[in-house]
Amino acid sequence: DAKTTQPPSMDCAEGRAANLPCNHSTISGNEYVYWYRQIHSQGPQYIIHGLKNNETNEMASLIITEDRKSSTLILPHATLRDTAVYYCIVSTRSARQLTFGSGTQLTVLP
Amino acid sequence: NAGVTQTPKFRVLKTGQSMTLLCAQDMNHEYMYWYRQDPGMGLRLIHYSVGEGTTAKGEVPDGYNVSRLKKQNFLLGLESAAPSQTSVYFCASSSAPRGVAGGPYNEQFFGPGTRLTVL
Repeated sequence: DAKTTQPPSMDCAEGRAANLPCNHSTISGNEYVYWYRQIHSQGPQYIIHGLKNNETNEMASLIITEDRKSSTLILPHATLRDTAVYYCIVSTRSARQLTFGSGTQLTVLP
Repeated sequence: NAGVTQTPKFRVLKTGQSMTLLCAQDMNHEYMYWYRQDPGMGLRLIHYSVGEGTTAKGEVPDGYNVSRLKKQNFLLGLESAAPSQTSVYFCASSSAPRGVAGGPYNEQFFGPGTRLTVL
């Protein structure tokens, strides 16, 4: 019973913006959207999270639609080091468990 | 500040052998987790702990036991290893949820992983 749907793979040219979509049409009112990434064989790394407002930090921006049924993670100037699997996760703030789906394999091309 | 460390990095076991994986964190986090990741799949939660002396089952707990005797350590044990337990094991830690004005909610910090092969 997947909570999120992501494309299995995407390519992006180095220096361009990478826009990674996520569908979470069954999200409930108290669930946040989290993004993590996993660079080859390493442990996942937290990127950003949001509830309903758009969020930005030093790594990325998160755009959440007004109905909260989908979101987009934006890496504004992708580099080769951003090649990774990106996971979109919905979870309550106090949830113990993060449910990782299959994610999106982003490949940044030179 | 080492963050989350895992010992060992690699291990090969024979079916039926036992072993313990050690996770240590130096961030004074209350919560700790053990995940496994099979090839081409996302992480699945095995067990977690919300404090010293407490543990709970996650999504795939069968065949594993855990202990949290010290706040900074979380041990994962395999009593009788099976080939189905061949996987990469990740430990993570996080602070307990804070109030509205607190820091990143539920941000989990992950260790580098332990690659376990059971023959």
